[in-house]
Amino acid sequence: NAGVTQTPKFQVLKTGQSMTLQCAQDMNHNSMYWYRQDPGMGLRLIYYSASEGTTDKGEVPNGYNVSRLNKREFSLRLESAAPSQTSVYFCASSETVTNEKLFFGSGTQLSVL
Amino acid sequence: QKEVEQNSGPLSVPEGAIASLNCTYSDRVSQSFFWYRQYSGKSPELIMSIYSNGDKEDGRFTAQLNKASQYVSLLIRDSQPSDSATYLCAVNGGSGAGSYQLTFGKGTKLSVIP
Repeated sequence: NAGVTQTPKFQVLKTGQSMTLQCAQDMNHNSMYWYRQDPGMGLRLIYYSASEGTTDKGEVPNGYNVSRLNKREFSLRLESAAPSQTSVYFCASSETVTNEKLFFGSGTQLSVL
Repeated sequence: QKEVEQNSGPLSVPEGAIASLNCTYSDRVSQSFFWYRQYSGKSPELIMSIYSNGDKEDGRFTAQLNKASQYVSLLIRDSQPSDSATYLCAVNGGSGAGSYQLTFGKGTKLSVIP
């Protein structure tokens, strides 16, 4: 039972480089989310996808793009990484957008130098 | 902008004691309230949800909600060293666009001393 799988677990980028964080869930959930977690800031929503084919901005979307590739997969792209994007990124899913029980992936530690 | 406030801690309690974690929220019409536990270096996991005023018990955990005071708390009875973690309060519902989205507090770090 994999649940929510994120890759990679760790990544170091130079300023200006791009990368994509991958997320997949095997629970047949409709809704998926990307959060970032910074010390002293708590979890903040970057983007979410209420259902396949839809995406919406969260609290801190600037500098990111997302793709809901299919019902299972939701990717997060940094087009031109900045040091301010150094953070731990979590993907999460839920049955529906109004179902508040989130299942989280194990996280990606991203450092931008 | 909805706000969820928690004491960052650390909150230290001796093993076997009751740990009390508190959370206040700004949006008066919020409807659903949650406690997530996050061990160091791990992802958050849901441990309690509460939707109506009063107490809700699950094993050693009790969630308390007072909507008039915009206050939610988590009590952990017979605290164990394995309860040492950061506890995140989360709130949703309420007013405005995306009201169904969870807003998380910054978390309270709990340390249970053997």
